[in-house]
Amino acid sequence: GENVEQHPSTLSVQEGDSAVIKCTYSDSASNYFPWYKQELGKRPQLIIDIRSNVGEKKDQRIAVTLNKTAKHFSLHITETQPEDSAVYFCAASYTGTASKLTFGTGTRLQVTL
Amino acid sequence: DTEVTQTPKHLVMGMTNKKSLKCEQHMGHRAMYWYKQKAKKPPELMFVYSYEKLSINESVPSRFSPECPNSSLLNLHLHALQPEDSALYLCASSQVTGSRGYTFGSGTRLTVV
Repeated sequence: GENVEQHPSTLSVQEGDSAVIKCTYSDSASNYFPWYKQELGKRPQLIIDIRSNVGEKKDQRIAVTLNKTAKHFSLHITETQPEDSAVYFCAASYTGTASKLTFGTGTRLQVTL
Repeated sequence: DTEVTQTPKHLVMGMTNKKSLKCEQHMGHRAMYWYKQKAKKPPELMFVYSYEKLSINESVPSRFSPECPNSSLLNLHLHALQPEDSALYLCASSQVTGSRGYTFGSGTRLTVV
């Protein structure tokens, strides 16, 4: 089955700096890679996703890159703000059927003033 | 309606009790999921329903019994739980194929005493 590794487990940045979180996956059949943000006590919320036929996607301050050959994908947050503080999970799945979304272990991002 | 609604939000139950968790969505999604999330851990898949039929059971103990009465509803029946079953139980839904990603409910925080 799919295995997703995520690094770092914790990340502290100053407000205004950039943050990068990296994930690797094992199953070459995976073709969909979402990122979720989970604030304390709340549900995971989809913030950005990328499909395997695309190398990069941006949405305002957030971008995701995908290297299919290396089975790596990364989340980039620019101009970080205190409200970006949360746990971020990467995930991978195959979209051909209703299938398992395999999550990474999570990164706790702390944005300090 | 772009939400997944879960009830109750909090549940405390004894080890001999029987209770049910409920999940409802009206987005026309035909895939629904139960995940379990322990503190500081990623969500772990329990069950997947596709077109109201159970398609994946991740070797979950029989004290958890899922039910999908129709395309909008998903239940999780609980019986004879153990204290280690205390966790946040998340329901999610998605399209069956070509997924845009899961939409998660707010979860039910379950405490077994």
